[in-house]
Amino acid sequence: AQSVSQHNHHVILSEAASLELGCNYSYGGTVNLFWYVQYPGQHLQLLLKYFSGDPLVKGIKGFEAEFIKSKFSFNLRKPSVQWSDTAEYFCAVSPYSGAGSYQLTFGKGTKLSVIP
Amino acid sequence: KAGVTQTPRYLIKTRGQQVTLSCSPISGHRSVSWYQQTPGQGLQFLFEYFSETQRNKGNFPGRFSGRQFSNSRSEMNVSTLELGDSALYLCASSLRTGGHRAGVYNEQFFGPGTRLTVL
Repeated sequence: AQSVSQHNHHVILSEAASLELGCNYSYGGTVNLFWYVQYPGQHLQLLLKYFSGDPLVKGIKGFEAEFIKSKFSFNLRKPSVQWSDTAEYFCAVSPYSGAGSYQLTFGKGTKLSVIP
Repeated sequence: KAGVTQTPRYLIKTRGQQVTLSCSPISGHRSVSWYQQTPGQGLQFLFEYFSETQRNKGNFPGRFSGRQFSNSRSEMNVSTLELGDSALYLCASSLRTGGHRAGVYNEQFFGPGTRLTVL
């Protein structure tokens, strides 16, 4: 069974600081990788995804993530955070299989607080 | 286009009771997945339905069950409620146009959730 580990439970940054949230996964096969975000009072929404190809993927609102297969990592980055980025961020993995699995395994989440 | 809707939004039950939660996917979406979110365990996959058939199942006891109707709407049922079942239950829908073909993955869109409190 797959598992996802997010290194930080709560991150506090000042506006304009750079952000990197760590995510490592454990799974023996090929995976699809995701970052989801949950803004206060809002639905969980997709930030970005990796299926194949270029390991550096870009998402909405200036976020990007890099898939490093050898490290089983999919870290999320943003060069300059804004107060509006305050939210909880979830890394997730889905097995890439012939069964077309839509079963997402999520990390425990990282709360990001951005101080104006 | 309307998003994923879940009813009811809030529910209070007592131990031993059963509960049914409903999810209406985005129009045209044929896959519905259910997740349980708790502070301790985070987001955990319950099951996925596609074309009225359960396709995947998470590691939850048999008290948790679900079904999907021909219009893709889905319900999940929890019988003999326990205090630990208190959680936010999220539903996600997807086009799932790839069916069972690998390499074709359609984004999952999440609903607002149903907050279940068991007393």
